[in-house]
Amino acid sequence: KQEVTQIPAALSVPEGENLVLNCSFTDSAIYNLQWFRQDPGKGLTSLLLIQSSQREQTSGRLNASLDKSSGRSTLYIAASQPGDSATYLCAVRVVDNNNDMRFGAGTRLTVKP
Amino acid sequence: GAGVSQSPRYKVAKRGQDVALRCDPISGHVSLFWYQQALGQGPEFLTYFQNEAQLDKSGLPSDRFFAERPEGSVSTLKIQRTQQEDSAVYLCASSFGTGINSPLHFGNGTRLTVT
Repeated sequence: KQEVTQIPAALSVPEGENLVLNCSFTDSAIYNLQWFRQDPGKGLTSLLLIQSSQREQTSGRLNASLDKSSGRSTLYIAASQPGDSATYLCAVRVVDNNNDMRFGAGTRLTVKP
Repeated sequence: GAGVSQSPRYKVAKRGQDVALRCDPISGHVSLFWYQQALGQGPEFLTYFQNEAQLDKSGLPSDRFFAERPEGSVSTLKIQRTQQEDSAVYLCASSFGTGINSPLHFGNGTRLTVT
């Protein structure tokens, strides 16, 4: 069964720092990988989606990479701001059941002013 | 509406009670998903609808869980004889298309607490 792991579980940085969040998955048979943001008490907001044939996607200060063969993805956040404080989750769409997205437990990010 | 709406936002049930959780997807969205999110964990897939058809219920944890979407829009997730382990946030998501790269839009969830 596909397992998705996110490290670290929590991260605190001062405003302005660049940071990297990590996601690993055990089975490379995926259609895509997606990064989401979740604010407390809220649902998930999609940030970036990388298809299995792609290596990276960029949106503003965010850059996500995918190395399918090694089962890894990173989310790079440049020039972090207090408004970036949230939990970041990665999820993979698995080949053996494409209705099922497998999520990691998330990284809780705090950006201090 | 502007987004996916879920009600109630919070539900407290005594063990053994039945509960019904409602999801109003974005108008015109074909696909609808239910997820269960335990505290400190990522969401876990429960079930998937394409219009009114429930095409996948492989994630439902027991036969106490039942979901329906009779007219292809609003969906209800029903949990019978609730147990403490059912305590979680239940998230609904919808998408316009059915493709694997079709973006999902999530509601804010219903937090269920079983006492």
